[in-house]
Amino acid sequence: DQQVKQNSPSLSVQEGRISILNCDYTNSMFDYFLWYKKYPAEGPTFLISISSIKDKNEDGRFTVFLNKSAKHLSLHIVPSQPGDSAVYFCAASSPGNTPLVFGKGTRLSVIA
Amino acid sequence: NAGVTQTPKFQVLKTGQSMTLQCAQDMNHNSMYWYRQDPGMGLRLIYYSASEGTTDKGEVPNGYNVSRLNKREFSLRLESAAPSQTSVYFCASSDLTGGNTEAFFGQGTRLTVV
Repeated sequence: DQQVKQNSPSLSVQEGRISILNCDYTNSMFDYFLWYKKYPAEGPTFLISISSIKDKNEDGRFTVFLNKSAKHLSLHIVPSQPGDSAVYFCAASSPGNTPLVFGKGTRLSVIA
Repeated sequence: NAGVTQTPKFQVLKTGQSMTLQCAQDMNHNSMYWYRQDPGMGLRLIYYSASEGTTDKGEVPNGYNVSRLNKREFSLRLESAAPSQTSVYFCASSDLTGGNTEAFFGQGTRLTVV
């Protein structure tokens, strides 16, 4: 059973507009959430994270929102740029000796 | 600043052949991981090593073996390759397993089994 779900396989946004990528989780033990960005033929790279004690974390054009009661997080990119076109993976971590659990990814295309 | 280095980058195997994927990290991380990425399936954990001397199965361990050779190196072995193992393989490392820590990934190995 998937513990981290990204229900939108793809998203297309115009340059300059906001991109919103969504992620849902089922495991209430998750307390740390991360977003990774992946370009073709490269490894995933860490983008931004949020601890469960916060509901928002901002880094430049990227903001992650966490709604613990809904077990939902989202990544906002404002303004979107063509270089943001990539696959975005949501990941979650729980206390103790357990590795990150990843979602299936959402492919973002930013159209100029 | 190499980070996580994987070799080889590309490999074609015939069904039944064996091979070892190599991974090394230079960040003095305790934990290392092997993931595979398949279309529509995201990143699935094969095996991980929380610390030197320990290894544990992940979500999809069948058909693979691993060795944590030392703190820097974590190899993945396919004893008898099958077409279902055609995938892109990523090695990653992190300071700790779990907790508020991010993992750093290598560039990947694209494996095709024919």
